[in-house]
Amino acid sequence: QLQLQESGPGLVKPSETLSLTCTVSSGSISSSSYYWGWIRQPPGKGLEWIGSMSYSGNTYYNPSLKSRVTISVDTSKHLFALKLNSVTAADTAVYFCARQTAIPAYFDYWGQGALVTVSS
Amino acid sequence: DIQMTQSPSSLSASVGDRVTITCRASQNINSFLNWYQQKPGKAPNLLIYAASSLQSGVPSRFSGSGSGTDFTLTISSLQPEDFATYYCQQSYNTPWTFGQGTKVDIK
Repeated sequence: QLQLQESGPGLVKPSETLSLTCTVSSGSISSSSYYWGWIRQPPGKGLEWIGSMSYSGNTYYNPSLKSRVTISVDTSKHLFALKLNSVTAADTAVYFCARQTAIPAYFDYWGQGALVTVSS
Repeated sequence: DIQMTQSPSSLSASVGDRVTITCRASQNINSFLNWYQQKPGKAPNLLIYAASSLQSGVPSRFSGSGSGTDFTLTISSLQPEDFATYYCQQSYNTPWTFGQGTKVDIK
């Protein structure tokens, strides 16, 4: 069974860069059938898609975050990464990584989530 | 962006009840609609994809229907483990967007 695991700092200062990685195990990150995505959820609120990337580098982002977001994939390490720069308190959220199918697109495997708090 | 609106925002129901949750899209999304269940402190879990296809391993008491702009998630006989928050998500156009969620709790 495919497993995803987020890791990274739980506390980031305002104006700095949030960095998370998602390690994929018990499955291949290099399949052309899937994308690898990030979704976040502020405390007590709903879900917001951040962006998704294929192993070959095809990437698309939510326009609301596009100017601050980078998603990358390292197939040799079986992981993909999220960087969100110039963070503010509004970026405090649980960040989930997930596998996204191509067409139709849906998120079928998720990590357990990582809480990132933006605070000085 | 395509707006997804769920109703109701919350509901109270008893074990054994039939529960229906509605999701409306701000434009035609054909059948590009998915449903997730989320329990407190956990990641969402895919229930239904492409409006009516049951994800592997999901109990058959869950079903989805609809196309165009109006969609429904039905739980035919609510079980204790079904008390959770449910989200719809459109995958017709990026950015993928989610409904605000429907919380199902115990009456």
